Amino acid sequence: EAGVTQFPSHSVIEKGQTVTLRCDPISGHDNLYWYRRVMGKEIKFLLHFVKESKQDESGMPNNRFLAERTGGTYSTLKVQPAELEDSGVYFCASSRGFRDTEAFFGQGTRLTVV
Amino acid sequence: QKEVEQNSGPLSVPEGAIASLNCTYSDRGSQSFFWYRQYSGKSPELIMFIYSNGDKEDGRFTAQLNKASQYVSLLIRDSQPSDSATYLCAVRDNYGQNFVFGPGTRLSVLP
Repeated sequence: EAGVTQFPSHSVIEKGQTVTLRCDPISGHDNLYWYRRVMGKEIKFLLHFVKESKQDESGMPNNRFLAERTGGTYSTLKVQPAELEDSGVYFCASSRGFRDTEAFFGQGTRLTVV
Repeated sequence: QKEVEQNSGPLSVPEGAIASLNCTYSDRGSQSFFWYRQYSGKSPELIMFIYSNGDKEDGRFTAQLNKASQYVSLLIRDSQPSDSATYLCAVRDNYGQNFVFGPGTRLSVLP
């Protein structure tokens, strides 16, 4: 069974540019989460999809961040325009959705805004 | 605001000792509790989860949950240098199925 995959693994962009991160969850997992870890800080929740619907997007920092999950399969997270403080590691995770099931994490995308 | 707190460490223990990692959470409605291990530059990987009060053992690892005190811990017996990593406590709420992470405790097992 394939795990959660994220693309790209690394991205270096200039301030003001646009970057799109992609996450492919484990097949059959309705729940998809985006998290971000800024250097030296804890993993912070960004948003949660159940299938194609946004269940909770309370962690999205501002309207420069846009997440989509078309058809309830893969998800994209677009940052436009990118700012220096957006640098960090963006993790995607998926789960089946039952109380006692874990979230499986992707390897993360390291985003550096210069 | 739902919060999960952990001592950031570093927690240093000698090889073969018991490492004790602690976590407290603020949301009484939380139902499931997870311990993840994260090596530097890698993604978090699950060690174990617990959702009933008491102890749950899996090999060298024991998770302990006390919902009345809103406290969950992880014990690592016979600690090995390969256990050196950041340990993340995650709490899943009763409604949104979201996972809230603590800041992590950095464990260093000294050979």
